[in-house]
Amino acid sequence: NAGVTQTPKFQVLKTGQSMTLQCAQDMNHEYMSWYRQDPGMGLRLIHYSVGAGITDQGEVPNGYNVSRSTTEDFPLRLLSAAPSQTSVYFCASSWDRGTYEQYFGPGTRLTVT
Amino acid sequence: AQRVTQPEKLLSVFKGAPVELKCNYSYSGSPELFWYVQYSRQRLQLLLRHISRESIKGFTADLNKGETSFHLKKPFAQEEDSAMYYCALSLSLGANNLFFGTGTRLTVIP
Repeated sequence: NAGVTQTPKFQVLKTGQSMTLQCAQDMNHEYMSWYRQDPGMGLRLIHYSVGAGITDQGEVPNGYNVSRSTTEDFPLRLLSAAPSQTSVYFCASSWDRGTYEQYFGPGTRLTVT
Repeated sequence: AQRVTQPEKLLSVFKGAPVELKCNYSYSGSPELFWYVQYSRQRLQLLLRHISRESIKGFTADLNKGETSFHLKKPFAQEEDSAMYYCALSLSLGANNLFFGTGTRLTVIP
């Protein structure tokens, strides 16, 4: 099993551009989530999903959209990138709720200039 | 509001010495606490959770509700313990959000 995969690994965007960070898991997990990690701060939850067709906001959702059309995929969309969105983004999944063991992807390092 | 504090950004200990990574939290309810670890060139992974009361790789952590702490301890540090350690809090079992601390980088000196 590949576990949780994320693409791309690195991305540079200009302010105002949009893009989608991809996340997929092959463990048939119901719960998936997106976190961002900024220097000097812990991981912060952006959005999460408890199953296909169900998404909800986390701690820092502004500027991001998500959808969950399949169990396997949970893409994160940046609508209009801003320098404040420069960060490392992690996708995670678990078989049920967020507090069960979460399996993390390798991360995507995003720079917005 | 809930908050997780890891006061040490960096911690260095010699091999064979005891190690304690501190975690304090602020939350008035009954939280669930976790330790996650990220080894070099590996992904973030769960090390242990309060509810399981288990010892993983020689590490233990006790939830002290009076001091609102969940310190991670190991009696004899090994070189392979060098990693980034994150304490995390959930407001309840089954809640959807984990709140992470800022992490402590542990270096075990041979």
